[in-house]
Amino acid sequence: EVQLVESGGGLVRPGGSLRLSCSGSGLTFSSYAMHWVRQAPGKGLEYVSGISNNGVRTYYADSVKDRFTISRDNSAKMVYVQMSSLRPGDTAVYYCVVAYNWNDGSFDYWGQGILVTVSS
Amino acid sequence: DIQMTQSPSSLSSSVGDRVTITCQASRDISNYVNWYQQKPGKVPRLLIFGASNLQPGVPSRFSGGGSGTDFTFTISSLQPEDIATYYCQQYHNPPYTFGLGTKLDFK
Repeated sequence: EVQLVESGGGLVRPGGSLRLSCSGSGLTFSSYAMHWVRQAPGKGLEYVSGISNNGVRTYYADSVKDRFTISRDNSAKMVYVQMSSLRPGDTAVYYCVVAYNWNDGSFDYWGQGILVTVSS
Repeated sequence: DIQMTQSPSSLSSSVGDRVTITCQASRDISNYVNWYQQKPGKVPRLLIFGASNLQPGVPSRFSGGGSGTDFTFTISSLQPEDIATYYCQQYHNPPYTFGLGTKLDFK
């Protein structure tokens, strides 16, 4: 069964940096695009970033463009998001997601999420 | 980026009611729409992909329709376990944006 496990969250000061990691198992990792979706406390879902299966194409929401960088290591079955210039508005649970069974973009597997808190 | 305008933002209904949620895309996205359910404290769950295709294991009282810019999500007969927040999402072009959600509860 597909499993996605996020790590690296925590408390960071405004303007600081943090790297989230996501480990994938139960799938041929190098065959799938991977994505991050976040949810601020009490708010809705927001697409953050995505990366193609070979890492050539990357996608970002306008709200994180030029501050977040997504990358992957297919040999380690890991995807990362490097977050810099963090703001209180980036406080959220961050989910690692994959469209496993259907077309890319239909997220049928989600990690449990990891909390990032940006506060002084 | 493509914007998804979802309505209503909240909805109160009774068991057995027919419930409909709409989503409008800022431009033509063919049928590249998904619908998710999220219960409090839980991870979102994909219910419908490609506007009208039910994910395996999803009850048949859930359905979706539409194409182009206008989409609907319907629960034909609301059950107690359907209380949740529902989100539409477009995947025509990345970034794959979500609607703001519809919180469904009982009257």
